[in-house]
Amino acid sequence: NAGVTQTPKFQVLKTGQSMTLQCAQDMNHEYMSWYRQDPGMGLRLIHYSVGAGITDQGEVPNGYNVSRSTTEDFPLRLLSAAPSQTSVYFCASSWGPGGTEAFFGQGTRLTVV
Amino acid sequence: QQQVKQSPQSLIVQKGGISIINCAYENTAFDYFPWYQQFPGKGPALLIAIRPDVSEKKEGRFTISFNKSAKQFSLHIMDSQPGDSATYFCAAISSGSARQLTFGSGTQLTVLP
Repeated sequence: NAGVTQTPKFQVLKTGQSMTLQCAQDMNHEYMSWYRQDPGMGLRLIHYSVGAGITDQGEVPNGYNVSRSTTEDFPLRLLSAAPSQTSVYFCASSWGPGGTEAFFGQGTRLTVV
Repeated sequence: QQQVKQSPQSLIVQKGGISIINCAYENTAFDYFPWYQQFPGKGPALLIAIRPDVSEKKEGRFTISFNKSAKQFSLHIMDSQPGDSATYFCAAISSGSARQLTFGSGTQLTVLP
C-alpha cells in the first residue's frame, strides 16, 4: 500500500501565485486533514474533512481552500501565495474520528519568495 | 493559544541514557494522547498512545506516564539509542471529535553514540 501520497515534494512560488498541493490516500479512510509545520510551533491544523463533500476549518485556515470530491483525494489550494505561507505541509488520514491513528504523508516543502 | 505545551525544545542524551519529554494540556475534553515520532524528511508516525483511564503505558523501551489531575503526560525512552534521534511530538484530541489532533511544539532528540 502506498498509504498517503503528497505531491509535489518541493515547490517554490512567487508571491501572489496560486497552486494546489495534492494529497491522495489508498486506505479508504474517511477522515483527512492538512497541517503546516513551522519551527517551534509543531503541526497546526489548516483544514480537515470527515468524508466526501464535507470540509471544515482548523486552527489556521486563512489563505487556504480545500475540497473533497472523492474519498481518496483532498487537495489544498493556496489562492494567492504569501511569504508567511512558507512552511512544510503534511496531509494525514485516519479511518475514524479522534482517538484513531493518523497516517501522514511525507510532506511538501513550500517556499514563497 | 497553545493548548498542548511541550518541553524541552531540544534534548541531548548519551547512548543508554533515559530521554524524558514532558507535555501539559489545558482542555479537559482531551481524552486520547498520542506521541508521534518524525525523522528528517519524513512525516510523523504514531509511536505510542494513552487514554486517561490508565496512568502508564509501556511498549518496549517507550513508556507514557499520565497524570490526569495535573493534566500532564510524559514520554520516557529507556536505553536511548542513536536510532532514536528524531523529533517527538505529543498530541491530544477528544475521542469521537471530528476535529483533528492538537500538537505540542516538538522536541528534537539527539542521542550521542
